[in-house]
Formats: sequence, C-alpha cells, structure tokens
Amino acid sequence: ETGVTQTPRHLVMGMTNKKSLKCEQHLGHNAMYWYKQSAKKPLELMFVYNFKEQTENNSVPSRFSPECPNSSHLFLHLHTLQPEDSALYLCASSQARGDGYTFGSGTRLTVV
Amino acid sequence: DQQVKQNSPSLSVQEGRISILNCDYTNSMFDYFLWYKKYPAEGPTFLISISSIKDKNEDGRFTVFLNKSAKHLSLHIVPSQPGDSAVYFCAASPSSTDSWGKLQFGAGTQVVVTP
Repeated sequence: ETGVTQTPRHLVMGMTNKKSLKCEQHLGHNAMYWYKQSAKKPLELMFVYNFKEQTENNSVPSRFSPECPNSSHLFLHLHTLQPEDSALYLCASSQARGDGYTFGSGTRLTVV
Repeated sequence: DQQVKQNSPSLSVQEGRISILNCDYTNSMFDYFLWYKKYPAEGPTFLISISSIKDKNEDGRFTVFLNKSAKHLSLHIVPSQPGDSAVYFCAASPSSTDSWGKLQFGAGTQVVVTP
C-alpha cells in the first residue's frame, strides 16, 4: 500500500467515450498532481492542485479535465481522446519538498 | 524543452559492481534534486535526494553527487543487487515559491543487474 491509490489500473476506451480516472491519497498531503508518462519520454506534468485549488495547467488539451473535490481525492475526466493520448497516467501527492512525491501505481490508458 | 536529461537509456551491470547513473540539467534555478526508482506496473518511488547546498548525500548503498558548476548529478549504487533492476528517474525542482513541488523529470535509465 503506497498511500496513493489509483483506479482503474487499466483502461481501454474508444475515441468517443467518456471515462474518469480516480486518485485517492491517505497521507494527509495538501498537493496532488497528474503526470503523463509516454514510452521513452520524461514524465510530463499535467495538473497541480494545492489545497484543492488548481495552481497549474501545463498546456493540457481540454479533452482532459481535472477535478479535486477535496485534498484527498483527485479525478481526471477524459472525453474524445486521441490514440496518441495512450500512456501511463500517474497521480502523486506531496506535503513538502523534503521527500518529493508519493506516486500511485498509475492507470495504463489505451485509446482505440 | 527538456530541462532534465538522462542521456543513457539503459545500463547493464554485474551483481556486486557499482552502478553509476548520470543526469544533466539546464535550468540554473533548480536547487533540489531527487532520484526515483520504478518497477514495471508500479509508480515511481522516492529513492534519495540532495539539496544544492550539498555536493553529496549518502543513504546505505545509494549515494548522490551534485556538481552545480557542471549542472550534473549522478547516482551511485554499490554494490548492485538484482533487486536494483528498475528504471531510475532523475528529477529537479526550482527554488521559486510559485514552482513549489513541481518536479521536472528526466526520461529515465533502465538498469539491469546481471548475476
């Protein structure tokens, strides 16, 4: 148990579907993040929430829509995705810079 | 624009020997550096970090060295063990308050430790 739980672990969706990724942290952290990991590329920061407020949107297309109802939960709503959006989506949380992030295990997304 | 670079996508090392992973960065505002380890089907886990006020930090078999003038850091694993086989990510964070917590990652180095 890493303290950051992501569901589902795997998701296959069509380009016209709407789905949501869920992240939950039990660490009492105040900041949560969505990262995208594509093959052979660095982790790309997508969104940052600090005390439930979005503080960063790293030029992410509007087909990705984040939601942070409270400090423990983070969602990523997906609609009309493209095949190039297929990747591992990682959620992370942090309290201070001393220990960096705690990551979830990720959701492996395949868009068909 | 990739600000953190790991130029070696893979590294193979014999068990018991030293593994040396390298990382270069371009942003002089980075002042905090971390290494993460990732196994397949799992998220990255924090391994070791170093602040820019230090040039070395050691934790058991893992040591991170920072050369600020060269904008270079390295991770040494000694002795290497089969369980160290994983992808290692270098990450860096800038010092400004509005960039708090926003890590920039390298592309990772796949380490394979052979018996």
